[in-house]
Parts: sequence; C-alpha cells; structure tokens
Amino acid sequence: DIQMTQSPSTLSASVGDRVTITCRASQSITSQLAWYQQKPGKAPKLLIYKASSLKSGVPSRFSGSGSGTEFTLTISSLQPDDFATYYCQQYNKYSLTFGGGTKVEIK
Amino acid sequence: EVQLVESGGGLVQPGGSLRLSCVASGFILSTYDMHWVRQGTGKNLEWVSVTGTAGDKYYTDSVKGRFTISRDNAKNSLYLQMNSLRAEDTAVYYCAREDRGGAYMDVWGKGTTVTVSS
Repeated sequence: DIQMTQSPSTLSASVGDRVTITCRASQSITSQLAWYQQKPGKAPKLLIYKASSLKSGVPSRFSGSGSGTEFTLTISSLQPDDFATYYCQQYNKYSLTFGGGTKVEIK
Repeated sequence: EVQLVESGGGLVQPGGSLRLSCVASGFILSTYDMHWVRQGTGKNLEWVSVTGTAGDKYYTDSVKGRFTISRDNAKNSLYLQMNSLRAEDTAVYYCAREDRGGAYMDVWGKGTTVTVSS
C-alpha cells in the first residue's frame, strides 16, 4: 500500500496566520491527491482534489500544491471556522490511503 | 439535496455479524462508485471498500474475506455485510460517494457506529 505521511500532526496558530500542512507519499501518486477537513463528531468534507483543484464552494483561502510525492495544503489567512483536523488521501492506487491527520488548534 | 444516511450500527460480540445500510437521496446511486470508510475513536480515517458502477469491488486487506459490499439500485442503497467481526473493526463507518473525477469522496454520510466487544 502507498503510505501517506502528514506533518505536523498538530499545529497551533492564530486567526489570520498563514498555515501550511505537508503530505508525503511513499511513492509517486502524480497529482491524485485530495484534502479533507474534519470537525469533531462530523464527517470529513472535501476541500481539494487533483492536488490543487478547489472544490466548488470552498473558500479561496484554501489552496493545494504539489505532485509526485510531496504535497502541501495552505490556508492563507486562518479563520475561526478553520480550526479542525485535515487529512490528505491518495487515489492513485487501491487500497486508497489517508494521511495521519493534522489538527489545527487555536494558539 | 444530495444526502447519504447510514444505519445498522450497534454493539456486537467478537465473531458476530452486522449489516450496514446507506440510503442515498438527491442522486442516482447506480451511476456512482460508492465507498465505505471507517474511523476508530480518536484514530485516522481508513478506507474499507468500494463498489464500482461496473460491479467491480475492492477491499482493504484487513477485511478481505470477512466484509462484502453490495448495492440495491432499486432502493438507491449501499450495504456492507460484516462477518467474523473483531475488536479492531470498532469504528464509525461512513458511506461516501466517489466524485466522477477520481477516487476521492465528494459526499459523505454522518456515519454509523459499530462496537465489537464482549
């Protein structure tokens, strides 16, 4: 299986901060990467697909980049609603695999 | 409104069986690949299984031979039959719709909780 490694596992930040989360794949997944946001007790919500395509309705402060084995999710100006856990997911090959998550906490 | 609603979770003893259901509304389930994804308490998301529109099915290694994914297009529903359950199968199980652009999930249900314990 393709292993997905996210860093950091926890991130403390303030409203207005620029935040970057990294996701590394154990082998090339081209651009077949998605990012999700999950809040406690809720289902994940798709933010970005194909590494950098923003899902319709998702605020433009979210952006994704990367290809091959290294990817980033950036929140340009953190808002109160953005405190959550973020997961990457590769869909290059079955079994689909998720990163371990990055919890964005209030500093 | 596009929606997925899971049911069928509960408490079951190790070695027991459970059948999860997922009813879709607002879209025609038969035209989409559909997934089950689970999440243990405080744990990571784990992909479980997918059924494609062509009838193809895939499973994560840990559930192969124990879980069976199926769909009833007439009922616009997805199912997961879980047999020989183990403690490590304890999780919230989500039903999710695959986007047409690739095997990522654009619509998720709220989940149903499965607890395997004696």
